[in-house]
Amino acid sequence: NAGVTQTPKFQVLKTGQSMTLQCAQDMNHEYMSWYRQDPGMGLRLIHYSVGAGITDQGEVPNGYNVSRSTTEDFPLRLLSAAPSQTSVYFCASRIQARLDRLSGRGAFFGQGTRLTVV
Amino acid sequence: AQSVAQPEDQVNVAEGNPLTVKCTYSVSGNPYLFWYVQYPNRGLQFLLKYITGDNLVKGSYGFEAEFNKSQTSFHLKKPSALVSDSALYFCAVRFPYSGGGADGLTFGKGTHLIIQP
Repeated sequence: NAGVTQTPKFQVLKTGQSMTLQCAQDMNHEYMSWYRQDPGMGLRLIHYSVGAGITDQGEVPNGYNVSRSTTEDFPLRLLSAAPSQTSVYFCASRIQARLDRLSGRGAFFGQGTRLTVV
Repeated sequence: AQSVAQPEDQVNVAEGNPLTVKCTYSVSGNPYLFWYVQYPNRGLQFLLKYITGDNLVKGSYGFEAEFNKSQTSFHLKKPSALVSDSALYFCAVRFPYSGGGADGLTFGKGTHLIIQP
């Protein structure tokens, strides 16, 4: 089925460990984003990409890196995990703004990765 | 800076009664407005959006939302609530054609909707 796929679904890390959260979409969407969801804070934008080779920071980028070598994939890297990074992470993708205005739904979301840093 | 407020952490409604989940926004210009729903352990699902045109927007699962420009509000409504509507609801805003800047959705904090049998 077409959509946004995130792996893993659950992960426990020790403080200081590194890991990569994977995100892949098969809809040929140009825009991809990473959000974190924390209780009482909604979703906050970490990083986003408007196309292969182009990334930029969102609202809460510290402690995270991204790259966009292909249209399909947008991995999120935690270089040195901290307990403050315990959260649920969502990857999202969407078509370009002009087409989204006509028929889009803002963004398609993956099912999330629940990360616990101990 | 754009912001979205959902003033209620939780809304309780009896099954069969009408429901309203409130959302107000603060942004200049003409934003795009969205509602998403999140069921437990799932990602966000699109419900509806307002771009332009009629102030009353109809979406999935019988939900609708009313855009009020003067009050900068975009409240989510449903005439008759179902127990299965119980979930976490997010209002979101984005500027149109935002490609060079922060190209992302700004979300409210979410409102837990609980429908009681």
